[in-house]
Amino acid sequence: IAGITQAPTSQILAAGRRMTLRCTQDMRHNAMYWYRQDLGLGLRLIHYSNTAGTTGKGEVPDGYSVSRANTDDFPLTLASAVPSQTSVYFCASSDSASGGSNEQFFGPGTRLTVL
Amino acid sequence: GQNIDQPTEMTATEGAIVQINCTYQTSGFNGLFWYQQHAGEAPTFLSYNVLDGLEEKGRFSSFLSRSKGYSYLLLKELQMKDSASYLCAVRDSNYQLIWGAGTKLIIKP
Repeated sequence: IAGITQAPTSQILAAGRRMTLRCTQDMRHNAMYWYRQDLGLGLRLIHYSNTAGTTGKGEVPDGYSVSRANTDDFPLTLASAVPSQTSVYFCASSDSASGGSNEQFFGPGTRLTVL
Repeated sequence: GQNIDQPTEMTATEGAIVQINCTYQTSGFNGLFWYQQHAGEAPTFLSYNVLDGLEEKGRFSSFLSRSKGYSYLLLKELQMKDSASYLCAVRDSNYQLIWGAGTKLIIKP
C-alpha cells in the first residue's frame, strides 16, 4: 500500500441497509478525516480523528459514525442509509491536525448511491 | 456563518495565464490551501499560504491578503492537463478545513 486507500470504489445500497466504508493509510499520519462531496457544494467534513483512540464530529455528522482503533484505519459507518446520503465520500489524512503546512492527503473516494 | 466564495467556472486558452479568486469569511484563520481535482479523482495539494504575500511554485502561484479575506491562484503557461477544478480551503480556529465549492477551469486549444 502506498498512501491512502478506500473500499469499495463504488456501491449501490438499498435504503435502510447498514454500510461501512473502509479507509486505510500507511503514512503513519496522526489525523484522519471523512468528507462527502456533492455537486455544487464544497467538501463537507463528516467526522475526524486527531489521533488514534479519539474522534470528533464535523459539519454533517448525523447518520454516520466512526471509530479509530489504531493509527492506520478509520472506517465510516452508515447505520441505516437514506437517499440523501448518496454522495462521493473521501477519506483523508494529515501528519498533524494542528498548524503548519500539514496538507491533507486524499484517498480515491467511494461513490455511494442509496436507492 | 463560515463562507468561502469562488467562481463556479472559468475558461482560458492554452498557453495563457488565468487567475482564480477566493474570498472567505471564517471563524479564525490558520492558513489557506489550494487543491486541484481532476474529474472523478481525489483532490491533490497545490499550495499553502499563512502569511500575506505571494508563494510561487513553478507555473503555479498563490497570493494571500488576510486583511481582505482574499486569495488567488495564478496559473501560467496553461496546459490542457490543467483542466480541472480548483478548490480553496481555509483552516479555521478549530483547525478544520472549510472548503469552497471549487472553480471548474476549462482550457481551450
